[in-house]
Amino acid sequence: DIQMTQSPSSLSASVGDRVTIICRASQGLYNHLAWFQQKPGKAPKSLIYDASSLQSGVSSRFSGRGSGTDFTLTISSLQTEDSATYYCQQYYSYPITFGQGTRLEIK
Amino acid sequence: EVQLLESGGGLVHPGGSLRLSCAASGFTFNSYAMGWVRQPPGKGLEWVSSIIGSGAETYYADSVRGRIAISRDNSRNTLYLQMYSLRAEDTAVYYCAKGSREASGYNFDFWGQGTLVTASS
Repeated sequence: DIQMTQSPSSLSASVGDRVTIICRASQGLYNHLAWFQQKPGKAPKSLIYDASSLQSGVSSRFSGRGSGTDFTLTISSLQTEDSATYYCQQYYSYPITFGQGTRLEIK
Repeated sequence: EVQLLESGGGLVHPGGSLRLSCAASGFTFNSYAMGWVRQPPGKGLEWVSSIIGSGAETYYADSVRGRIAISRDNSRNTLYLQMYSLRAEDTAVYYCAKGSREASGYNFDFWGQGTLVTASS
């Protein structure tokens, strides 16, 4: 199974800040990596797919980079509504696996 | 507009069975893989099972293999998850998710609102 490790597990930032979340895979994924945002009591929402493609309707403040085993999600100019938990997920091979999540708090 | 509406969750005794349904609309159902992802209370996301668009191939997490069966009725645009021999650790919100492609290399681009399954005596 491919293990997905996110860092940090949590972070706190201010409105207007730029933050980056890291996701590392235990083996190469090519670019089969997605990022999701989940707010309390809500379903996950797709943000990024194929490592760097922005899902339709998602703010351009979200961007993804990487290939192989190292990936990043960057949120530029943080807004209060960005407070959420963020997950990476690989779909290169079964079983599909998720990172443990990164909780983002807006100060 | 893509819509996924799960139903069938509830309280079941350990060892019991339950069938979840996911009614899909807003896209050509048989052209996309579908999956189930669960989230235990206060914990992260765990992939459970997937099925390709034609229904010919199914995939399962080791934690549920042999106790869960995924299926789809493309004539009714509905995805199912039959759950047997439920355990306390199966307690979770179960999400139905749409794949972005018919078979391999898909991501989950749309998710339902989830249905809660509680296995408890």
